[in-house]
Amino acid sequence: QKEVEQNSGPLSVPEGAIASLNCTYSDRGSQSFFWYRQYSGKSPELIMSIYSNGDKEDGRFTAQLNKASQYVSLLIRDSQPSDSATYLCAVNTPGNQFYFGTGTSLTVIP
Amino acid sequence: GAVVSQHPSRVICKSGTSVKIECRSLDFQATTMFWYRQFPKQSLMLMATSNEGSKATYEQGVEKDKFLINHASLTLSTLTVTSAHPEDSSFYICSARGHKNTGELFFGEGSRLTVL
Repeated sequence: QKEVEQNSGPLSVPEGAIASLNCTYSDRGSQSFFWYRQYSGKSPELIMSIYSNGDKEDGRFTAQLNKASQYVSLLIRDSQPSDSATYLCAVNTPGNQFYFGTGTSLTVIP
Repeated sequence: GAVVSQHPSRVICKSGTSVKIECRSLDFQATTMFWYRQFPKQSLMLMATSNEGSKATYEQGVEKDKFLINHASLTLSTLTVTSAHPEDSSFYICSARGHKNTGELFFGEGSRLTVL
């Protein structure tokens, strides 16, 4: 499934830096977008949802959506070692499917 | 957030046997449930989407006769892996969504299947 694409990484950033994660999607009619975090062997957990163009901030996390470019991003400010995980971009398509990207592995170096 | 319970968390079975995995939404009515499979170091691959009371919609390449999905009630969906083989060994994850189709998914804990 190539409906959602991410740079698989791995991405390494030093503690305190900003981590930037990117995602593109193919179905232009998609309206709902999500970022999940997954630790090894565990189920994904929701970090952010975004439905409208622009930025949405929640604590250290900012999601950005550009529907014209079919692009979603996640910024993590003041990265912490506990943020080290795989980050999954997810898109809810008009056909009611819910697709995930391949995930970006993030390592925050103390 | 809402709670989705998945059982069993781990199962080991012999090749040729069938395994059933249950997914329950504990505190909300799940009009739609999704079943995913995840191989090591890979992303979640959508297997099928099921709506309560209707047949599941399978993704291309997923054998509906091998992966039987039943969504008989608003709180329970089951995935049965029939005649399991070692290549079916994987992490199976269910997720559920309430009446708002634009809403987030709530995930079960996942089921690690090992077929010997």
